[in-house]
Order: sequence, then structure tokens, then C-alpha cells
Amino acid sequence: QQQVKQSPQSLIVQKGGISIINCAYENTAFDYFPWYQQFPGKGPALLIAIRPDVSEKKEGRFTISFNKSAKQFSLHIMDSQPGDSATYFCAARSGAQKLVFGQGTRLTINP
Amino acid sequence: GAVVSQHPSWVICKSGTSVKIECRSLDFQATTMFWYRQFPKQSLMLMATSNEGSKATYEQGVEKDKFLINHASLTLSTLTVTSAHPEDSSFYICSAPGLAGGGQYFGPGTRLLVL
Repeated sequence: QQQVKQSPQSLIVQKGGISIINCAYENTAFDYFPWYQQFPGKGPALLIAIRPDVSEKKEGRFTISFNKSAKQFSLHIMDSQPGDSATYFCAARSGAQKLVFGQGTRLTINP
Repeated sequence: GAVVSQHPSWVICKSGTSVKIECRSLDFQATTMFWYRQFPKQSLMLMATSNEGSKATYEQGVEKDKFLINHASLTLSTLTVTSAHPEDSSFYICSAPGLAGGGQYFGPGTRLLVL
């Protein structure tokens, strides 16, 4: 019940295309859903986050769509650029501020 | 955003030795910090929650006597890997919660290689 399932495991998108990464969860007590971007050898960086009372949040080229009834949320990267090539993790926060991470998606943007 | 630093960024040690990793919140106070371990091409696994002024709480399966955590001040938590072995080689990352209701901010990570 504490798991967050993320897909796909890897994704290749052409430059300028839309990258879409999906996550699903079971625990309805999760109250905060962040996305992290991680480059090789670096710590994860907070990209964008959403709360369950909001269905969509947009920041620049990054958008989170949240479906509370389906217990799913997704990250959309518009106009994907080679610099977006990284590993992306979705996460969900439970009590005591703990984060549960998805398995990660390795995104490659081809120029 | 909030800044979290780690030191050292990488360390190589011999099997059987102990290694200390520091995690600092640079521009904010953190009564709680988290320690994660990440193996190559895998996700982050929470090891323990570091609590300022009290004992750390460890996740199931994490040996507390092997991974000693000390949260000495509101800006510093340390993780000591005792009697390190090659299987402890990994990427160790700390994080700290930001403003109330916000996300966690991660340090740059420490690469540990045990020979």
C-alpha cells in the first residue's frame, strides 16, 4: 500500500515532442506528490509538485495532471529538449514527511 | 530554494574501516533530515529519519548499529558507515524538508566505494 508505481522505465522522445511519465498509488493518505529530476552523479532536484485537491499544475514546460479518483498522476514535459535528458522520479508523501519514490524513468531526448 | 550540502562528495575506503558523511542545511534549520541509499539505476531507498535531539528512526531492514546517525544541531546530521564492506558501496543522499507543506530538498549525494 505504500508503493508508488511508475512507468515507463525508460522513454525516448524526439526534440520538441511531449514526454509523459505516469505514476499510480494506493495509499489515500498521501497528501503531497512531487516530481524529482536527477542527473547522473547528482542528488534529485525538486521539479514540480501537486496536492490532491488540485487536478493540474503547470510550471513552464512542466505540467502535473492529477486524477484523485483513479489514484494516478502524471508528468508532462512539453517541447522536450536534450537538456531534459535525465532520470525522473515521482514520489508521494505520507505521515512524518516521509517520501515514497517511484522506480524512476530514464528519459532520453534525441536532438 | 533551500540548499542542502553533503561532505565528502566521494570517498574510497578499505573494507573494515568507518566512514562519516555530513549533511548540512545551509540556509534553514532542519529538525528532521532523511538519509537515502541509491544503487546504480535504481530508485532512492529511505534508510532512516534523523531527528535533532533524539534517536534516529530506521526503516525496516536497515542495521542501526552499522549505519550510525547523529543529528547534533539544527543544521547538521551525520551518517557513519561502520566497518564498511564492499556491499555498502552506494550513493548516499540526505534530504531535509523545506518550508511547511513543501517538498524535501536533497543534497548532492556522497559516492562511497569500499575496496
